Amino acid sequence: AQSVTQPDIHITVSEGASLELRCNYSYGATPYLFWYVQSPGQGLQLLLKYFSGDTLVQGIKGFEAEFKRSQSSFNLRKPSVHWSDAAEYFCAGESNTGNQFYFGTGTSLTVIP
Amino acid sequence: SQTIHQWPATLVQPVGSPLSLECTVEGTSNPNLYWYRQAAGRGLQLLFYSVGIGQISSEVPQNLSASRPQDRQFILSSKKLLLSDSGFYLCAWSNRETQYFGPGTRLLVL
Repeated sequence: AQSVTQPDIHITVSEGASLELRCNYSYGATPYLFWYVQSPGQGLQLLLKYFSGDTLVQGIKGFEAEFKRSQSSFNLRKPSVHWSDAAEYFCAGESNTGNQFYFGTGTSLTVIP
Repeated sequence: SQTIHQWPATLVQPVGSPLSLECTVEGTSNPNLYWYRQAAGRGLQLLFYSVGIGQISSEVPQNLSASRPQDRQFILSSKKLLLSDSGFYLCAWSNRETQYFGPGTRLLVL
């Protein structure tokens, strides 16, 4: 079955520290992969997406993600976290038919001063 | 540009009452439409998706239903709400490159 897994429910990092949020996918073929951010009380915003080509994808707000086929992973990274990055982050994958998106359960990020 | 509307923004309903959440899309035609629910600690759950008028696929069996009476209108309904229906409901549309989300409806069932 197609699925997306985010193994970390909650992560706490210090402001200025680096960040990596994990995402693993399970699809028959290489899926389209996405990272979304949801700030408190707000809807979802697309950070970045991967369709094909360069496996390192740059997104908004200084985020990047790397697609690793051998590990079935699409981890989100940021070199230096800002307090405003505190939010819920969702990894998502698109099904082979293109009709369904599957979301991970989300990772809640807390940034401490 | 494309816009997606959802209403109401917040809703408090008693257990056993009916529900109707509406979602409309502007600026695109024949989109794929989706309803998601985000419950506390459970992430986003795909409830329904639609590839065209009158075409509804259900991902999770429950007391909710969806309808698509027009190309850019997607409605989420229930005849009798349960406490467990509380959550944040998101409508989305996709052009096969990404999904665009509405502002969401926060539903509290008491």
